[in-house]
Amino acid sequence: GAGVSQSPRYKVTKRGQDVALRCDPISGHVSLYWYRQALGQGPEFLTYFNYEAQQDKSGLPNDRFSAERPEGSISTLTIQRTEQRDSAMYRCASSPRRAYEQFFGPGTRLTVL
Amino acid sequence: GEDVEQSLFLSVREGDSSVINCTYTDSSSTYLYWYKQEPGAGLQLLTYIFSNMDMKQDQRLTVLLNKKDKHLSLRIADTQTGDSAIYFCAESMYAGGTSYGKLTFGQGTILTVHP
Repeated sequence: GAGVSQSPRYKVTKRGQDVALRCDPISGHVSLYWYRQALGQGPEFLTYFNYEAQQDKSGLPNDRFSAERPEGSISTLTIQRTEQRDSAMYRCASSPRRAYEQFFGPGTRLTVL
Repeated sequence: GEDVEQSLFLSVREGDSSVINCTYTDSSSTYLYWYKQEPGAGLQLLTYIFSNMDMKQDQRLTVLLNKKDKHLSLRIADTQTGDSAIYFCAESMYAGGTSYGKLTFGQGTILTVHP
């Protein structure tokens, strides 16, 4: 079946612009996670949802970052007033109910000029 | 707090065994994972172990867990050039309800397999 998909795969934007990154989880998966991965590092947790409820947003770096999952399926991570330090790979993962496995999408490479 | 550490590089010859090591600090971890990342690709879950287990074997992969020392290792038998990739160790904790919460990753070990 289809895996986790993310769009766009690549995004180049100018400093100060807003960006929206989309994640489409595996159908029926309850939990959805966002991570950010800098070059040469492991992914770092940003936030996660169970269904439409945001359970933990402790990893969001500041209030320019927000995420939503209004219908418990597709999620959008929004970064307002982007800065060069926001450049990274943004990864999404989903997990079925009562499961400990997280399945990752291909990621969105964000470059802020 | 949570902290996961890995050695950065490992180089082996094709056909040899590879052993990738990881240490973690959070004693309440429930699951420990190994992910593989190939260039331009997403993260692929290779295997995982529950924290009350000592060992898990899955074809060429063997995971060993030493809870006392908080040490996790991944052994790849008969390493092939296609195994060249970055390998990440990660831990998670039960977060209540239906969720196991966030993963905390190490910085990754770059495995290079020489013909």
